[in-house]
Amino acid sequence: GAGVSQSPRYKVAKRGQDVALRCDPISGHVSLFWYQQALGQGPEFLTYFQNEAQLDKSGLPSDRFFAERPEGSVSTLKIQRTQQEDSAVYLCASRDDRGRPYFGPGTRLTVT
Amino acid sequence: DAKTTQPTSMDCAEGRAANLPCNHSTISGNEYVYWYRQIHSQGPQYIIHGLKNNETNEMASLIITEDRKSSTLILPHATLRDTAVYYCIVRVPRETSGSRLTFGEGTQLTVNP
Repeated sequence: GAGVSQSPRYKVAKRGQDVALRCDPISGHVSLFWYQQALGQGPEFLTYFQNEAQLDKSGLPSDRFFAERPEGSVSTLKIQRTQQEDSAVYLCASRDDRGRPYFGPGTRLTVT
Repeated sequence: DAKTTQPTSMDCAEGRAANLPCNHSTISGNEYVYWYRQIHSQGPQYIIHGLKNNETNEMASLIITEDRKSSTLILPHATLRDTAVYYCIVRVPRETSGSRLTFGEGTQLTVNP
């Protein structure tokens, strides 16, 4: 079956632009996560959904970051007024009922 | 979650065993040791996890010391496709810990022909 997919795979944005990153989790996975990975670093937690409920958003770095999962499946991570420090790979993961997360390939965001 | 310490990088010859160490001296009794790897331009991939007994699956073996303060991930016959960053994570399973994985910087394993 299909794994976690993310789109776009690459995004270049000019500073100040808004971007929206999409995650399609594995069908039936209740839990969904977003992580941010800066160059040369490990992924860092951003936010977590259980179905459509955002249960933990403590990792979001600022109020410019917003995530939603309105129907409990597809999720969108939105970044408003992008800044250069937002340049990173954004990873989405969904988790099976054994607690094991499956990661997507990520979206590489470059803010110029 | 307990902090882990891993070497920054390691090299291994193709076909030989790769032994990746991880120190987790502050691990608590209900924390498991998880290993993930991340191949370039891909998302992290689960490898194996364990509590106190050694574990083996189709990908790797996990050896945890008796005091649980360190562990070793073993890839028995490394191939070029095993070149990746390997992350050792110590955490309580999801039911009691919340949800997140806390990654460190991991070990860059390079398998050489």
